[in-house]
Amino acid sequence: GQQLNQSPQSMFIQEGEDVSMNCTSSSIFNTWLWYKQDPGEGPVLLIALYKAGELTSNGRLTAQFGITRKDSFLNISASIPSDVGIYFCAGQVGRQGAQKLVFGQGTRLTINP
Amino acid sequence: SAVISQKPSRDICQRGTSLTIQCQVDSQVTMMFWYRQQPGQSLTLIATANQGSEATYESGFVIDKFPISRPNLTFSTLTVSNMSPEDSSIYLCSVPGSRGGYTFGSGTRLTVV
Repeated sequence: GQQLNQSPQSMFIQEGEDVSMNCTSSSIFNTWLWYKQDPGEGPVLLIALYKAGELTSNGRLTAQFGITRKDSFLNISASIPSDVGIYFCAGQVGRQGAQKLVFGQGTRLTINP
Repeated sequence: SAVISQKPSRDICQRGTSLTIQCQVDSQVTMMFWYRQQPGQSLTLIATANQGSEATYESGFVIDKFPISRPNLTFSTLTVSNMSPEDSSIYLCSVPGSRGGYTFGSGTRLTVV
């Protein structure tokens, strides 16, 4: 089945630094999604990407849908303490009405003040 | 985006018993998804629950262990049957978003003792 390889698994950075994480797969996805999960909560959608090559920003977050449709990256600029959490990439597969998500393993972000 | 209410938020259960988790959505949706998130792990799709049809289970998950009901377009339940400590996880429901992406409930944190 489809698998997403997300890296890095964890990051320890200083406040104000930029962050970059990515997901790769041997399979093609028709949509890439990036989520953030805080403790005790469900994942919250950060950015959705629908077309190969698409580059989308949401405030300090920027994500791109790889041209091959097999990869995506998420960048966070000028990190702040509330960026702490676990970030997941997810790829959508399947036709309309039978679609489903496959998740990466997650990137745990820790910020030192 | 849809608002999802998931109950209970957490529970501690004895092995051999069953727990039913409820997911209520504030709008009508055709597709609902149930995920499992084992401690420190990513999300794994258990099944897709479409109103009016039998749930579709992913590899490794069976109806006898995780029976699902989908009585209408705003509600679904997932039962974790004959529980063992290995079933200790966070269980999440999810629905497609109106503008793409998927919305998740806050999850049910299950501990089996």
